[in-house]
Amino acid sequence: KAGVTQTPRYLIKTRGQQVTLSCSPISGHRSVSWYQQTPGQGLQFLFEYFSETQRNKGNFPGRFSGRQFSNSRSEMNVSTLELGDSALYLCASSKTGYEQYFGPGTRLTVT
Amino acid sequence: AQSVTQPDIHITVSEGASLELRCNYSYGATPYLFWYVQSPGQGLQLLLKYFSGDTLVQGIKGFEAEFKRSQSSFNLRKPSVHWSDAAEYFCALTAGTALIFGKGTTLSVSS
Repeated sequence: KAGVTQTPRYLIKTRGQQVTLSCSPISGHRSVSWYQQTPGQGLQFLFEYFSETQRNKGNFPGRFSGRQFSNSRSEMNVSTLELGDSALYLCASSKTGYEQYFGPGTRLTVT
Repeated sequence: AQSVTQPDIHITVSEGASLELRCNYSYGATPYLFWYVQSPGQGLQLLLKYFSGDTLVQGIKGFEAEFKRSQSSFNLRKPSVHWSDAAEYFCALTAGTALIFGKGTTLSVSS
């Protein structure tokens, strides 16, 4: 069974721009979660989507948003990028939302 | 508030020696607990999980973990470490469908 895929793997953006990251979950998984990983803050939960509805949300500003499509693929958008948004963004998929399987991540660098 | 503490930031173990990584949690009820491993530049791989039942759980790659409710701990163990085990290890619990992670323990393996 194919794992979680994330595109692109690497991204360089300029402050003030916006970015969209994509995640394709494991086949049959309806839950997709997003996490931000930085050296200072560690791994932090952004949000979770289940059957196209946001079911859970972390403590991030409104510049961070997401959506999920009918095929369970998910996108995450960050608007008005700041230097502090530089991070590894990880997507995880799950059948129920509890046992989560992670993709390889997208490394975002904001200059 | 829910939290996960990994007291050891960095551990060095000789190849062939046993390993124990510590994890303590704070949660109002019995949590779902997980151990993940991350190699440099990679996503997180699920090593093992505890939902309920037998407090000693077996995972992949020869790892096991023991849930001790009285100590609020979920320590990871391996009887004989291989050089390929060098990586960062994260303990996590679920709060709803959001994973809360510890800060991680970096494992180095010496020959």
